Amino acid sequence: KAGVTQTPRYLIKTRGQQVTLSCSPISGHRSVSWYQQTPGQGLQFLFEYFSETQRNKGNFPGRFSGRQFSNSRSEMNVSTLELGDSALYLCASSLAPGGERAGEQYFGPGTRLTVT
Amino acid sequence: KDQVFQPSTVASSEGAVVEIFCNHSVSNAYNFFWYLHFPGCAPRLLVKGSKPSQQGRYNMTYERFSSSLLILQVREADAAVYYCACPNQAGTALIFGKGTTLSVSS
Repeated sequence: KAGVTQTPRYLIKTRGQQVTLSCSPISGHRSVSWYQQTPGQGLQFLFEYFSETQRNKGNFPGRFSGRQFSNSRSEMNVSTLELGDSALYLCASSLAPGGERAGEQYFGPGTRLTVT
Repeated sequence: KDQVFQPSTVASSEGAVVEIFCNHSVSNAYNFFWYLHFPGCAPRLLVKGSKPSQQGRYNMTYERFSSSLLILQVREADAAVYYCACPNQAGTALIFGKGTTLSVSS
């Protein structure tokens, strides 16, 4: 079974631009969560989608948004990029949303975003 | 505030047993999850649960608000970042610690 895939793997953008990252979950998984990883901050939860609906949202500004399609693929968008948005963005998929089942998440390798 | 705490770095020697400690402040979280992350690769779930458990060389200890990951016979190839996580108070998402970077010397 193919794992979680994320595209692109690397991205360089300039301040003020916007970016869209893509995540394809494991076949059959309907929940997709997004995380931001930065040095010293670990993995910070951005949001979770299940059946095309955002279920949960972390403490990030409105510049960070996402969506999920009917095939469970998800996209994350960051508008008006800032230098501090440089990070590794990870997505994870699971069969069911949140809660105790949230532990059965499978991560993708991430998209490394650099904002200059 | 829901938080997970773990040391930023741990150093060990090859062949030793290394312990990475974690504790949380979530009043109704009962499960711990330990992930391994090599740079450039997807984080991988090592062990999880609400009681002591073992998966190969990885042992997880369990107390109500704390857990330790024990790696037996540690190798240089085990050098990576280890994350501890637990469900948030609402039970809707995982909260991760900031990660522990393990270094292993030969």
